[in-house]
Amino acid sequence: DAKTTQPPSMDCAEGRAANLPCNHSTISGNEYVYWYRQIHSQGPQYIIHGLKNNETNEMASLIITEDRKSSTLILPHATLRDTAVYYCIVPESNFNKFYFGSGTKLNVKP
Amino acid sequence: DTGVSQDPRHKITKRGQNVTFRCDPISEHNRLYWYRQTLGQGPEFLTYFQNEAQLEKSRLLSDRFSAERPKGSFSTLEIQRTEQGDSAMYLCASSLGPQTRGYGYTFGSGTRLTVV
Repeated sequence: DAKTTQPPSMDCAEGRAANLPCNHSTISGNEYVYWYRQIHSQGPQYIIHGLKNNETNEMASLIITEDRKSSTLILPHATLRDTAVYYCIVPESNFNKFYFGSGTKLNVKP
Repeated sequence: DTGVSQDPRHKITKRGQNVTFRCDPISEHNRLYWYRQTLGQGPEFLTYFQNEAQLEKSRLLSDRFSAERPKGSFSTLEIQRTEQGDSAMYLCASSLGPQTRGYGYTFGSGTRLTVV
């Protein structure tokens, strides 16, 4: 079962920052947080991952709280093409695979 | 290398027929995964290979399902005696190492199966 909790849906205005929260209160010290997104009818796409420090790449930023019990994915300037389901995943130490929950459906509106 | 390739993209079959899907992972990736996704749900894990060895199978993988990765490169997923409940997107992913050590998946575009 997924170790994460995400809101089922969020709206964001085009050009504004989209901040997608994820709760992973049972995370262990050596478990990574991964974010993927899935645009309709396509395979999931990797966005970013992190362990303890905040991370940034060309797609997004990942902010992990100091206690590591939650994180936020930030899309700095959302576009209509960012409309997708966003999955926050924490693979358990004993399981080298991803469990996907239901994710957050992000609707970017003009 | 252009990523993970899956073939076919779409398959329509009659109930009771057998179908086979193919996945070509990224060449240097030794781990390969199959997932199934139904409408409105997140992907569900089916099975996992490390090189040619099938190391884990989900209870979702009934005895009508079989997966192989004969030479540790491409993989096939076969469904025998298809049922309407098998209609789903079948996703393949590969990775260079374990997710618990910071290695993510690269997914293919999936094969959409419709059983009529």
